[in-house]
Amino acid sequence: EAGVVQSPRYKIIEKKQPVAFWCNPISGHNTLYWYRQNLGQGPELLIRYENEEAVDDSQLPKDRFSAERLKGVDSTLKIQPAELGDSAVYLCASSLVYQRENYEQYFGPGTRLTVT
Amino acid sequence: GNSVTQMEGPVTLSEEAFLTINCTYTATGYPSLFWYVQYPGEGLQLLLKATKADDKGSNKGFEATYRKETTSFHLEKGSVQVSDSAVYFCALKTSYDKVIFGPGTSLSVIP
Repeated sequence: EAGVVQSPRYKIIEKKQPVAFWCNPISGHNTLYWYRQNLGQGPELLIRYENEEAVDDSQLPKDRFSAERLKGVDSTLKIQPAELGDSAVYLCASSLVYQRENYEQYFGPGTRLTVT
Repeated sequence: GNSVTQMEGPVTLSEEAFLTINCTYTATGYPSLFWYVQYPGEGLQLLLKATKADDKGSNKGFEATYRKETTSFHLEKGSVQVSDSAVYFCALKTSYDKVIFGPGTSLSVIP
């Protein structure tokens, strides 16, 4: 079974430039998460989707971050414009929520973003 | 609010030593508790979990017991190997299915 796929794995951009990250979850997983992991810290949730619906985006900085999950499968996270403080690893995870039971989250390898 | 605190690293142990990584939490309600592991260059993987008080999660020789009275979920292993070198994250899941991670503890095991 293929795991969560993310691309690119690494990205270096200058501040004020836009950047986008892509995630393909595990087949059949209806719930998708984007996390940000700063150096030396644990992941922090940015947004959670159940199918196409964003059910928790309270931690997403909406002035510069946007996300979409068209057709309830792949997802894209965008930053525009990027700031120096956005340098971090962006993790995507997916899980199956069935009959109100949320099963294990599976994480992708992450995209390491460096803003210069 | 909900939060997770872990012992600071890095932790360096010799092979076959006993491992303890402390984890305490603050939460409303009755959270589920988890340990995740991140090996170098890889994504986070669930190591073990416990869903209610006094439950013991175990996997790959690691164990952790959900202690409600001390709000703790300490990770232990009797004899570590070089292959256990990784970053370990304690986490809780709230009743709203939100997972909150601790800052992580880096473990290095030397031969």
